[in-house]
Amino acid sequence: QAVVTQEPSLTVSPGGTVTLTCGSSTGAVTTGLYPYWFQQRPGQAPRTLISDTSNKHSWTPARFSGSLLGGKAALTLSGAQPDDEAEYYCWLIYSGVRVFGGGTKLTVL
Amino acid sequence: QVQLVESGGGVVQPGRSLRLSCAASGLTFSSYAMHWVRQAPGKGLEWVADISYDGSDQYYADSVKGRFTISRDNSKNTVYLQMNSLRTEDTAVYYCARDVNPGIDYWGQGTLVTVSS
Repeated sequence: QAVVTQEPSLTVSPGGTVTLTCGSSTGAVTTGLYPYWFQQRPGQAPRTLISDTSNKHSWTPARFSGSLLGGKAALTLSGAQPDDEAEYYCWLIYSGVRVFGGGTKLTVL
Repeated sequence: QVQLVESGGGVVQPGRSLRLSCAASGLTFSSYAMHWVRQAPGKGLEWVADISYDGSDQYYADSVKGRFTISRDNSKNTVYLQMNSLRTEDTAVYYCARDVNPGIDYWGQGTLVTVSS
């Protein structure tokens, strides 16, 4: 089974910009792997931030954006707020098999 | 608004069974596939299973194949996860979620399953 890789942890200053990435053991991440990004605050259920590489939901703050960058899926946070401190998971879909990455713990400090 | 409420979690001995339920409201339930995703304590998310909008197709993670069964009752707006031959490594919070082909948009709050002797 494919392995999806994420940075274990990242730190961003309040108001700063940070990019989280999501890689695949099978090679470059493409739109055909349908990258999704999920946010999970401590003690809460996950919520979906980005669908299909770059599509936002009605509840997704404008400061979050999704893209492909250097062969990986990327989640960029511009103008970080304390409320953004959370675990972020991506997932990729390999011919119907959903595989989550291990998550990135984002600290806003 | 869309609401997904899981129930049925609890403490169960290894080898025993448990059935989880997820009651949906605020959506045309019969139009959507549904997923179960779990999270072991202090660990990441793991996709468990999904079922098509009409129940005709089901898919499972290798870790639960042959032990877990996903089903649904569209007349009750409910999706189920029957878990048999439970193992200690099945201990997790189990979330149900709505499919938006091919991903997920709405999540429930989860129900905790603890497998322990």
